[in-house]
Amino acid sequence: AQSVTQPDIHITVSEGASLELRCNYSYGATPYLFWYVQSPGQGLQLLLKYFSGDTLVQGIKGFEAEFKRSQSSFNLRKPSVHWSDAAEYFCAVNTGFQKLVFGTGTRLLVSP
Amino acid sequence: DAGVIQSPRHEVTEMGQEVTLRCKPISGHNSLFWYRQTMMRGLELLIYFNNNVPIDDSGMPEDRFSAKMPNASFSTLKIQPSEPRDSAVYFCASSSGLAGGGETQYFGPGTRLLVL
Repeated sequence: AQSVTQPDIHITVSEGASLELRCNYSYGATPYLFWYVQSPGQGLQLLLKYFSGDTLVQGIKGFEAEFKRSQSSFNLRKPSVHWSDAAEYFCAVNTGFQKLVFGTGTRLLVSP
Repeated sequence: DAGVIQSPRHEVTEMGQEVTLRCKPISGHNSLFWYRQTMMRGLELLIYFNNNVPIDDSGMPEDRFSAKMPNASFSTLKIQPSEPRDSAVYFCASSSGLAGGGETQYFGPGTRLLVL
């Protein structure tokens, strides 16, 4: 069955430092991959998505993600974190017919 | 565009009562999704519709849950009777397209349900 693993439940990063959130997926075919962000009490907002082509994908708010087929990974990165980036981040894979399977999420804390 | 609209935003009810959650998708979108988010189980897809027709309801937990989409601009998720374990945040999302295209799903703000 398709699945998404986000191994880090919590991550704390100093403001201005770089960030990498890990995501590994299990899916037999070429995946469609997504990163969403959820601020407290809010719905999910799409940061970026990968369908095909260039394996480095740019998103909103200065985020990027790199698809690595050999590692079944789609890690999210940001070179310099801002306090407003504190939120929960979800990786998801599209399993066909628009069914999204989400990871368990990584909560990002930003320290001053 | 107003985005996906959900109501109510918060609902507190007593066990055994009927609960109805409402969703208005983004105009022009033809797919609608209901998700449930809990600490224990994370984000789960309950059911999704395409062109107002239920395509996959395999995520609906049991017969107490039902969903309808009478037209392209409105959907309901009903729980009858409600139980404390139904307490969760329920999200509605919508997108354009049908199969395998990986179209972006746009989420509403959610309904936070507490069943006492």
